[in-house]
Amino acid sequence: EVQVLESGGGLVQPGGSLRLSCVGSGFTFSNFAMNWVRQAPGKGLEWVSGITGRGGDTYYAASVEGRFTISRDNAKNTLYLQMNSLRAEDTALYYCAKFLASGWPAGASEIWGQGTMVTVSS
Amino acid sequence: QSALTQPPSASGSPGQSVTISCTGTRSDVGGYNSVSWYQQHPGKAPKLIIYEVINRPSGVPDRFSGSKSGNTASLTVSGLQAEDEADYYCSSYASSNNYVFGTGTKVTVL
Repeated sequence: EVQVLESGGGLVQPGGSLRLSCVGSGFTFSNFAMNWVRQAPGKGLEWVSGITGRGGDTYYAASVEGRFTISRDNAKNTLYLQMNSLRAEDTALYYCAKFLASGWPAGASEIWGQGTMVTVSS
Repeated sequence: QSALTQPPSASGSPGQSVTISCTGTRSDVGGYNSVSWYQQHPGKAPKLIIYEVINRPSGVPDRFSGSKSGNTASLTVSGLQAEDEADYYCSSYASSNNYVFGTGTKVTVL
């Protein structure tokens, strides 16, 4: 079964850092671009960041550019999101999702995890 | 990159059809055939139901169909069923090398 599983969420103070992880299984991880999408409580979906299959190209929403870094370790089938300088408005459920393609643009997000909650509060 | 515009709500009786619009610009919806639609039930992760404007992933009923005209994409759900009650989001690739989601539409089955 093709699936992705996120971890690493939690409560962090404003200005703090957190690293999210996402492990993929049931597919050849390096053959697919991946992305992070977030959803604030009671709100809609917001695209956060994406990375090509081989990890050579990364992309960010303007709202996180310069604060978040996406990366992947294809040997470990794992996607990461390093989040620095966190703000209250970053509070959300963060989903990891597998794209349909390897390059960029990578099509649609075919497989989604259940999400990991990040709360930024003092 | 501004969110794509969707109506906040839509509704229909069982068996009827409902169509949801998704309006963007030439820099996103109008410029690429990379429009997708997602269904999200309460407390669940989004599920892909349409990709590349008109294509359905395996397992998605053919009651769901997509189209696009100019800067507006549309999702039609025909033969509404109780389980179709959910939030629906469109998404498009954008010229800024990013993706953008729609504002979301809550579909109610009366």
